[in-house]
This record gives sequence, structure tokens and C-alpha cells, in this order.
Amino acid sequence: EAGVAQSPRYKIIEKRQSVAFWCNPISGHATLYWYQQILGQGPKLLIQFQNNGVVDDSQLPKDRFSAERLKGVDSTLKIQPAKLEDSAVYLCASSLVERVRGNEQFFGPGTRLTVL
Amino acid sequence: AQSVTQLDSQVPVFEEAPVELRCNYSSSVSVYLFWYVQYPNQGLQLLLKYLSGSTLVESINGFEAEFNKSQTSFHLRKPSVHISDTAEYFCAVSETGGFKTIFGAGTRLFVKA
Repeated sequence: EAGVAQSPRYKIIEKRQSVAFWCNPISGHATLYWYQQILGQGPKLLIQFQNNGVVDDSQLPKDRFSAERLKGVDSTLKIQPAKLEDSAVYLCASSLVERVRGNEQFFGPGTRLTVL
Repeated sequence: AQSVTQLDSQVPVFEEAPVELRCNYSSSVSVYLFWYVQYPNQGLQLLLKYLSGSTLVESINGFEAEFNKSQTSFHLRKPSVHISDTAEYFCAVSETGGFKTIFGAGTRLFVKA
């Protein structure tokens, strides 16, 4: 089966500019996650969707970050305006809604964002 | 609230030596436990998981981890490492019946020739 797809793989922008990331999860996966991974740290959940509804966005900086999941499939994450501290790898993951499998997550390759 | 602590940020080891990467967690309810691996310039991928049953779980490439409920630990071990095992390893915990997964800060395993 095809894996989680993300684009772009790399992005360099200047502070105060806008940027958007795209994710296509594994077909049939109801749950989609966006994580921020700062260098030297573990992934931090930004937002979690169940189909096209938001389950958890408690750690999403809503003054500058936004995300949507179109028709319960693809998702976009946007940052507007970007700050220097937003430099990180943005990971998208998806999972089946199966508690018996512990919600094993499948990750995309990530988008490395550099804010200058 | 759940939390995960990976006690070592970096572990250098010589090829063919044994290794243990330590992970402790805290949770007020029963949990699922995972180890994910991230090879250079790649996304995270699941290495192994504990859901229920036998407390010792194994991966296809020789790693194993043991769930110790009394110690709230899920340490990852391999009796003999290869250069290709060089990667970052993340321990993660998810509450049973819940949807949120918390990741540790990661341990960078560096295997030297």
C-alpha cells in the first residue's frame, strides 16, 4: 500500500512570510496527525483529525497556525506569519481507528521548514 | 496526564556490542507502548509495540523490548548492533481507549566500526 505523502520536502522562507504544507494519508485511515519536530526533540502533536473533525488542537498556536482536512482525506497545515522559532520538521501521520492495534501511526517523510 | 522520559539523549556503541535504550513512562491508566525509529533523512517508522499479552516483544531486525509495569519502563535492547542501526529511537505511549500518543525526546544511537 502507498505510504503517507507530504509536500514539499523542504521549504525556506523569511520570517513573516506564509507557508503551507500538504499531506495525503494512507487510504482508509480515519485519523490524521500533524506533528512539529524541533531539532533534538521528539515529535509534538499540533493537531489531530478524526475524519474531517478536530479531535485535539490544544497545542496548535492558533494565532498563526491553521489546518484543515478536506473531505476527510487530504490535509493542509498553514503558518501565517512565520517566526524564526517555527523552523522544524513538520510530520504528518495517519492511523486506523483500531484500539486493538493501539492506533499505530504511519508517518510521512516530513517537510523541513527553515525560517530566516 | 501521560509522559515519556528517555533517559539518554545519545548512546555511542561499537559494532557487535549490546545496547539498551531506556524509556520510562507515567500514566494513571493502562497504556500501549511503542518504539519508533527514524533513520537519517527519513520519517518515523514503527519498530515494535506492546499492546497486551507477553511483556517481551520483538522486532524483525533483532530488537526487543520488555514492558515492566511495576517499574513503568519499556527499555529497548539488542544483543549485537550493526552500523545500519545508527538512527534516532523514540519511545511513545498511548492510553488504552484513547487516541493521543505522547513521544519521548528521542535517543540517538550511534554505532561505530
